[in-house]
Amino acid sequence: DSGVTQTPKHLITATGQRVTLRCSPRSGDLSVYWYQQSLDQGLQFLIQYYNGEERAKGNILERFSAQQFPDLHSELNLSSLELGDSALYFCASSVRRDRGDTQYFGPGTRLTVL
Amino acid sequence: AQKITQTQPGMFVQEKEAVTLDCTYDTSDPSYGLFWYKQPSSGEMIFLIYQGSYDQQNATEGRYSLNFQKARKSANLVISASQLGDSAMYFCAMREGMLLGRFYFGSGTKLNVKP
Repeated sequence: DSGVTQTPKHLITATGQRVTLRCSPRSGDLSVYWYQQSLDQGLQFLIQYYNGEERAKGNILERFSAQQFPDLHSELNLSSLELGDSALYFCASSVRRDRGDTQYFGPGTRLTVL
Repeated sequence: AQKITQTQPGMFVQEKEAVTLDCTYDTSDPSYGLFWYKQPSSGEMIFLIYQGSYDQQNATEGRYSLNFQKARKSANLVISASQLGDSAMYFCAMREGMLLGRFYFGSGTKLNVKP
């Protein structure tokens, strides 16, 4: 158990809908990262937050947004869902002083868009 | 250019033998970190080992060691005495720059350990 929690574990929804994925980082970790893993594109970095502030953006679509709250948990919002958004979404957390900023991953949320 | 390259999509190894998973990286930043993660069929991503660009010695964690060849920009993972439970997808990753820099992941290598 990495100490990073993600909810829900599974999510099935329809095209055009909006969903929210939640992540709680390890205790003491200030940084949260979001990744999308699909079969054809591997692990894609979406966005990073550090202590509530957006730190880096990757291949995140405009239909997706995220935020990190004062208690350091983070939410990833996916809207106007398309079939291609079906994927495993990971949250990871890290703290600067730990092993070169090693990221520890949550169990992931498997999103299926029908 | 790809930041992280894993050229072995799939590999087989006999139980109890050692296996090397290849990883090369591309960066012009003198400060970086290299990581290996394991993803079993259950889907979770498990951190295995870390090597900093300034570390003089190769990193080791139990049966895992990282063969760091800086001049060749390679960071191969060596698993000694393979076990059936080592069957999984393995990802090489790099953090570019100072702490809190962006992570890049390779496409992964699927390792199958045969009994």
